[in-house]
Amino acid sequence: QSALTQPASVSGSPGQSITISCTGTNNDVGRYDYVSWFQQHPGKAPKLMIFDVSNRPSGVSDRFSGSKSGSTASLTISGLQAEDEADYYCGSYTSSATLVFGTGTKVTV
Amino acid sequence: QVQLVESGGGLVKPGGSLRLSCAASGFTFSDYYLAWIRQAPGKGLEWLSYISSSNSYTNYADSVKGRFTISRDKAKKSLYLQMNSLRAEDTAVYYCARVLRQGVVIGGFDHWGQGSLVTVSS
Repeated sequence: QSALTQPASVSGSPGQSITISCTGTNNDVGRYDYVSWFQQHPGKAPKLMIFDVSNRPSGVSDRFSGSKSGSTASLTISGLQAEDEADYYCGSYTSSATLVFGTGTKVTV
Repeated sequence: QVQLVESGGGLVKPGGSLRLSCAASGFTFSDYYLAWIRQAPGKGLEWLSYISSSNSYTNYADSVKGRFTISRDKAKKSLYLQMNSLRAEDTAVYYCARVLRQGVVIGGFDHWGQGSLVTVSS
């Protein structure tokens, strides 16, 4: 049950686009289209931003988009805004019927 | 609206036990899988356990298997985490969360509680 691998930090200027990667294995990200992404501001509970690789829950800005290629999923934030500064985590279902999160990425605007 | 409210956290000595509770409201409790997730100070999220909507199936992360037990009470609309043989490395904020889809565990967690801090220290 090793954590999925994410870059420790990503930064961008307001208005720019950034992409966060999430690398797993053939037993999780590579096997299932059940990758989700969460945003967490300091001292707050995580918030679901993307589910099933590329679907946005109601109320989440369309500036957030997700994709997957092989065992690597990606979250792209376009039109970066100050409020997007937060920690981001990916998550996946695994072949052991468990769930696993990524190591987390700090986004700085 | 959906609400999840954890309680029961606090300071406990190594080797001790603690039971966390999570009161749910705003949705049909028996329709959804529920889970516990924790976050150690300054660290990332760690999935711990989930329980099926029917209360018939559970699964655990290796780090807590055999020490922690998840359960749910339909009548009280509550989720529980019994934590035994606690260690310093169990110190974390513990979140309860609801799985997105009814009746299955896939799809991510769409609602989270505010978290309950558990500190394991002598």
